[in-house]
Amino acid sequence: GQNIDQPTEMTATEGAIVQINCTYQTSGFNGLFWYQQHAGEAPTFLSYNVLDGLEEKGRFSSFLSRSKGYSYLLLKELQMKDSASYLCALKAAGNKLTFGGGTRVLVKP
Amino acid sequence: DTEVTQTPKHLVMGMTNKKSLKCEQHMGHRAMYWYKQKAKKPPELMFVYSYEKLSINESVPSRFSPECPNSSLLNLHLHALQPEDSALYLCASSQEQGNYNSPLHFGNGTRLTVT
Repeated sequence: GQNIDQPTEMTATEGAIVQINCTYQTSGFNGLFWYQQHAGEAPTFLSYNVLDGLEEKGRFSSFLSRSKGYSYLLLKELQMKDSASYLCALKAAGNKLTFGGGTRVLVKP
Repeated sequence: DTEVTQTPKHLVMGMTNKKSLKCEQHMGHRAMYWYKQKAKKPPELMFVYSYEKLSINESVPSRFSPECPNSSLLNLHLHALQPEDSALYLCASSQEQGNYNSPLHFGNGTRLTVT
């Protein structure tokens, strides 16, 4: 089975940096994904880690430590449009992708 | 714009109705998925099709019946649903290339209300 934990909500100021942590336990590991979901819209893919280390994509970066069962998503230079839910998702055997509960990020002016 | 198209966008149905949700992708993806999402909750996996064959069924009640007519299309047939089945139903697709893990691409979903 799998267990994925992430904070429920975070608040940050426009222009700041926010780090969303995700911890997990799993019996099989084929990668960790981060998705963004605005209210009423589809989740959109942000980043993917399968090896330990940092993946950087513009203002967004994601880090993975497989030995610690830990990942984080770093959002830099926050913009108002970054207010959304951020979903940590774990891929186990086959094509089964399981989502964590999601972290709602509110960006304030 | 999403490359996974779902129809209809909204659906209201009674508990005795039969309806179908449709999903289409033209990215050449060979894996397709149905997820269910309740308000303020994460998407929950229902079914996975791989090369047009059902590979994962997450113990979904039989009132939900998936169908994959070809590699581009995925349907979800609904019959005798309950009000608690009201949710956003998301379709997704991904490449399938051995151990390569490609991301899922989601459609915008069908907002289903069961009355």
